[in-house]
Amino acid sequence: AQSVSQHNHHVILSEAASLELGCNYSYGGTVNLFWYVQYPGQHLQLLLKYFSGDPLVKGIKGFEAEFIKSKFSFNLRKPSVQWSDTAEYFCAVNADDKIIFGKGTRLHILP
Amino acid sequence: DSGVTQTPKHLITATGQRVTLRCSPRSGDLSVYWYQQSLDQGLQFLIQYYNGEERAKGNILERFSAQQFPDLHSELNLSSLELGDSALYFCASSVSGAWGEGNIQYFGAGTRLSVL
Repeated sequence: AQSVSQHNHHVILSEAASLELGCNYSYGGTVNLFWYVQYPGQHLQLLLKYFSGDPLVKGIKGFEAEFIKSKFSFNLRKPSVQWSDTAEYFCAVNADDKIIFGKGTRLHILP
Repeated sequence: DSGVTQTPKHLITATGQRVTLRCSPRSGDLSVYWYQQSLDQGLQFLIQYYNGEERAKGNILERFSAQQFPDLHSELNLSSLELGDSALYFCASSVSGAWGEGNIQYFGAGTRLSVL
């Protein structure tokens, strides 16, 4: 069965620190990959997506993610976080007419 | 604002009851998706409708059902409610019904259901 694992449930960083949130999935076929963000009190928004092509994808607000097929991973990165990045981040995998979300990572940025 | 409207924002009800959640997709979107977000299960895909027809099914309980109407709004019906059904229910919409490139889902703000 397909599954998505986000290893870090809660991450606390200071402003200007670098961020990497892990996402691993289990599925052997072709996948589409997403990172969504949910700011406090707001709806889910798409940060970035990977369908094909360059495995390094850039999203909004300075985020990027790298698809490493051999590791079944799609980690989210940002070189320097800001207080406004405090939110919950969800990795999602779409395959076989289904979309599976990870359980989310709560990111808290200290001012 | 994503353009996806969900009502009501909050719903409090008792066990055994039945509720209906409503979703209006973005203008031009034909596909509607329903998700349940709970603390223990995370965000789970329930069901997808495309242009009035069921397109894909996820972890939706038999006590739950959904439909999409000719004007493309959708309703999620939850019956025989249990305490464990308390969650945030999201609706999303997209232009395409196909899962793949171009099928970006836009989420509503959610309906928070509390079953007491």
